[in-house]
Amino acid sequence: KQEVTQIPAALSVPEGENLVLNCSFTDSAIYNLQWFRQDPGKGLTSLLLIQSSQREQTSGRLNASLDKSSGRSTLYIAASQPGDSATYLCAVRLPAGNNRKLIWGLGTSLAVNP
Amino acid sequence: GAGVSQSPRYKVAKRGQDVALRCDPISGHVSLFWYQQALGQGPEFLTYFQNEAQLDKSGLPSDRFFAERPEGSVSTLKIQRTQQEDSAVYLCASSFRDRGSGDQYFGPGTRLLVL
Repeated sequence: KQEVTQIPAALSVPEGENLVLNCSFTDSAIYNLQWFRQDPGKGLTSLLLIQSSQREQTSGRLNASLDKSSGRSTLYIAASQPGDSATYLCAVRLPAGNNRKLIWGLGTSLAVNP
Repeated sequence: GAGVSQSPRYKVAKRGQDVALRCDPISGHVSLFWYQQALGQGPEFLTYFQNEAQLDKSGLPSDRFFAERPEGSVSTLKIQRTQQEDSAVYLCASSFRDRGSGDQYFGPGTRLLVL
């Protein structure tokens, strides 16, 4: 059974710091992995999607890496800003034949202090 | 263009009451997903539609939960005889690709509180 774990559960940093959020999954047979951002009272926003054949994806100050064999992904946020404060969720998509489900971690709650 | 919309945004129901939650996906999106997110938890998959066909309902927690997408666009999640444990945020997401390989776009969710 696929399980997704995110560490740390919560993180508080001063503005300007570079930071890394970690995601691990128990079964390396995944279709893709996706990082989301969730703001209170708002919907989920997809940040980065990495296909199982890819090693990393970049978007602006965000960089996500994927090491499928070790069951790990990291989300790197450069030069953090107060507007980055949110909960960051990692989700893996099961392969075809497993109903395309997303299996979610519990998230990392990030606070960037001005 | 408009994103995924959901209504109502908030719903308070008395235990035993039936509720209906609506999702308007992005126009042209083939795939539609419903998730349940309890407080402090990640979203849990409920059901998946490809156009009007409900291809997977394995995540529905009981037969009190029913979802439909009769014309392949708007979807309704119905919960009959609500219980307190049904209190959660119900998220709807849509995706352009039929295999869901692309991004899923999420709505703001409906926050359901059952008293």
